[in-house]
Amino acid sequence: DTGVSQDPRHKITKRGQNVTFRCDPISEHNRLYWYRQTLGQGPEFLTYFQNEAQLEKSRLLSDRFSAERPKGSFSTLEIQRTEQGDSAMYLCASSSGLAGVSGANVLTFGAGSRLTVL
Amino acid sequence: AQKITQTQPGMFVQEKEAVTLDCTYDTSDQSYGLFWYKQPSSGEMIFLIYQGSYDEQNATEGRYSLNFQKARKSANLVISASQLGDSAMYFCAMREGWDNQGGKLIFGQGTELSVKP
Repeated sequence: DTGVSQDPRHKITKRGQNVTFRCDPISEHNRLYWYRQTLGQGPEFLTYFQNEAQLEKSRLLSDRFSAERPKGSFSTLEIQRTEQGDSAMYLCASSSGLAGVSGANVLTFGAGSRLTVL
Repeated sequence: AQKITQTQPGMFVQEKEAVTLDCTYDTSDQSYGLFWYKQPSSGEMIFLIYQGSYDEQNATEGRYSLNFQKARKSANLVISASQLGDSAMYFCAMREGWDNQGGKLIFGQGTELSVKP
């Protein structure tokens, strides 16, 4: 088990371009979450999948953002027509939905994909 | 309204001493969970400790303990015997409702802890 993987780790793009991030969760985890974190702030929830179903979307997820998890395994987050305000760290997390040894359904995070929009 | 409040943007502690990081929360749910995560400069969020709203005893995990005061809606993290490797951002987070309702977390703004040798 290699944990949650995110790709790319860093992306620099020009305003107006489209970008796509990929997240590979822990293999037996059926829940997958996307968060956005700007400098000096805590992560903000964007969206959540249970298997392939997208069950919740934050109002932060504007029309330019779309997330998919087509086969209930990896997920992609696409940002169309990027704006400078989209510059942030995009974090992916997964969980099994079951209580672990700590008694909680713990979210395991990836290292994040840092987006810089010029 | 802010659901998770961390009032200490930055904290300093001497190596080997204990430190308390503050967290207050706001919810009308009876069932909720409180989490602490550590984020070193590498960026990855590392789970530290969990407290359920119905847990009567404070949670402990090695050098980490959670001082849970339900009536005050506070869930402070205590790190004993600080180590240089504890220098990082620390985030308090809350899951509202039962876990089978999704399990998403709401995070505070974080506290940057610096451990001095």
